[in-house]
Amino acid sequence: GENVEQHPSTLSVQEGDSAVIKCTYSDSASNYFPWYKQELGKRPQLIIDIRSNVGEKKDQRIAVTLNKTAKHFSLHITETQPEDSAVYFCAARRQVDTGRRALTFGSGTRLQVQP
Amino acid sequence: GAVVSQHPSRVICKSGTSVKIECRSLDFQATTMFWYRQFPKQSLMLMATSNEGSKATYEQGVEKDKFLINHASLTLSTLTVTSAHPEDSSFYICSARNPDRGQNVYEQYFGPGTRLTVT
Repeated sequence: GENVEQHPSTLSVQEGDSAVIKCTYSDSASNYFPWYKQELGKRPQLIIDIRSNVGEKKDQRIAVTLNKTAKHFSLHITETQPEDSAVYFCAARRQVDTGRRALTFGSGTRLQVQP
Repeated sequence: GAVVSQHPSRVICKSGTSVKIECRSLDFQATTMFWYRQFPKQSLMLMATSNEGSKATYEQGVEKDKFLINHASLTLSTLTVTSAHPEDSSFYICSARNPDRGQNVYEQYFGPGTRLTVT
């Protein structure tokens, strides 16, 4: 099955700085890579995702890059703000039309943005 | 949208009792729902895949007789923790995809979670 590794486990940055979180995956057939943000006691919220036919995707201050050859993908947050503080999870899945495959999650990164 | 609800949000039960958690897709039909468990400061671990009208598929190490899953309709899946023990205390989260989301069909949406505490 799929195995997703995520680094770092904790990340502290100053407000306005950039934050980068990296993940690697094992299943070369995986083709969908979402990132979730989870605040304490709440549900994971999808913030951005990328599919294997795309190398990079950007949405305002958030961007994700994918290197299929190396089987790794990264989340980039620019101009960080205190409200970006949360736990971020990467995930991977082999997408099939039946939708019966679940996401495999990384171990999470606790991001702390210092004001 | 694609809204997934869960009930209850919190439950405290005594050791040995059973607890049922409901997961509903509110504005779409979900033939497949997923149940995850999350321990404090840890990641989401898939427990089982719930398929409407058929048996659930459990992940390795998850006891199917302890975690009973019933997906009786296209909008409802239930997880029953039988004979609960303190080590079952955790945050249980369900999720589903909306197959009618066009370009966003890949997205997986999560319920708000149920925090189970077994005393």
